[in-house]
Amino acid sequence: AQKVTQAQTEISVVEKEDVTLDCVYETRDTTYYLFWYKQPPSGELVFLIRRNSFDEQNEISGRYSWNFQKSTSSFNFTITASQVVDSAVYFCALSDPYSSASKIIFGSGTRLSIRP
Amino acid sequence: DTAVSQTPKYLVTQMGNDKSIKCEQNLGHDTMYWYKQDSKKFLKIMFSYNNKELIINETVPNRFSPKSPDKAHLNLHINSLELGDSAVYFCASSQEVLLADEQFFGPGTRLTVL
Repeated sequence: AQKVTQAQTEISVVEKEDVTLDCVYETRDTTYYLFWYKQPPSGELVFLIRRNSFDEQNEISGRYSWNFQKSTSSFNFTITASQVVDSAVYFCALSDPYSSASKIIFGSGTRLSIRP
Repeated sequence: DTAVSQTPKYLVTQMGNDKSIKCEQNLGHDTMYWYKQDSKKFLKIMFSYNNKELIINETVPNRFSPKSPDKAHLNLHINSLELGDSAVYFCASSQEVLLADEQFFGPGTRLTVL
């Protein structure tokens, strides 16, 4: 069965610190997709990144970077030089589009608070 | 222009009532979804429709019935509301049908059942 674990329930750091949000997943499928979504205090969910299981290249987008390691089934998210606007709940998700019971599973989320 | 819109934003109602939440997307996407987010922020997919056809139907009570009049609309009707139905309901859409694509979420509808 698929599973997504975000072990860090809450993280609080001071502005400008770097912070890493962990995501560990379980799946038996060889083809799958991993996502990160951000949910700011306003409540809407915003897509950040998508990775397929065959692409282990790390990705950097401005202050955001993602480290995908199949060997450890992890897809971690790092924010460099954090800002107050980064305060949000961040969700990691796993989808298995090609299985017979196609679905998407979200982790329980990590609440990130950036203190000024 | 709002990409995915939901109405109403807030819904307060009594147990046993029937209510509907409407969702519309103007992105030209073929696939739409309903999610439930509970008070602990757990987010779970409920339904997925592709071109008005039901694709995913998770273990949701049959009091919940999605209806898709066209591919730009996916409404959620809930019968005989219960206290446990209180949650935020999100509508979303994506271009691809197989959950491989990024999803665009609506602003959410906060349902409170008294």
